Amino acid sequence: DAMVIQNPRYQVTQFGKPVTLSCSQTLNHNVMYWYQQKSSQAPKLLFHYYDKDFNNEADTPDNFQSRRPNTSFCFLDIRSPGLGDAAMYLCATSRGGPGGETQYFGPGTRLLVL
Amino acid sequence: AQSVTQPDIHITVSEGASLELRCNYSYGATPYLFWYVQSPGQGLQLLLKYFSGDTLVQGIKGFEAEFKRSQSSFNLRKPSVHWSDAAEYFCAVGDSGNTPLVFGKGTRLSVIA
Repeated sequence: DAMVIQNPRYQVTQFGKPVTLSCSQTLNHNVMYWYQQKSSQAPKLLFHYYDKDFNNEADTPDNFQSRRPNTSFCFLDIRSPGLGDAAMYLCATSRGGPGGETQYFGPGTRLLVL
Repeated sequence: AQSVTQPDIHITVSEGASLELRCNYSYGATPYLFWYVQSPGQGLQLLLKYFSGDTLVQGIKGFEAEFKRSQSSFNLRKPSVHWSDAAEYFCAVGDSGNTPLVFGKGTRLSVIA
């Protein structure tokens, strides 16, 4: 089945220690997104790639970076995680968009910062 | 700017009862409207969407939603709720351009026996 895969499902890191979350997709979609979702809140868009074009949301901290080496993979790098970065990180894809297309979400990676 | 309001933070219904989750949006043109569901610890799954045409939209798992332009609403309904419907429900609005989806804050649904 075509899908969006996120690894790992749970990630524990230490305060200030860089961490990378990964996302892959078999849908061959053009657009890939990273969202941050804190408990009982709506997902907050961090950035998205439309093909190789990177689009950063204005309020995304510099601490968050992303890479998309090819169509299938996208990575979220947190350079120096703080306690406030503990959250669920959701990857999503869409064929086009980002506003008018259905987004397909992965299961998420829950990040814990100690 | 687009915005979405889900007035109910938490709703509890009895199994077998009907359900309506409210969603109001603010957008100048015809919006693209979505309802997503999120089970605990999981990603979001699309229930249904409205782009144009028939204002009553059928989705998966027996859900439907009705677009009412005059009320700027896109309420989600289900005639008979099952215990497995307990989850968080998000309404979202977008457009045909490059503006990202705007999500509401979500409504948590609890189902009691």
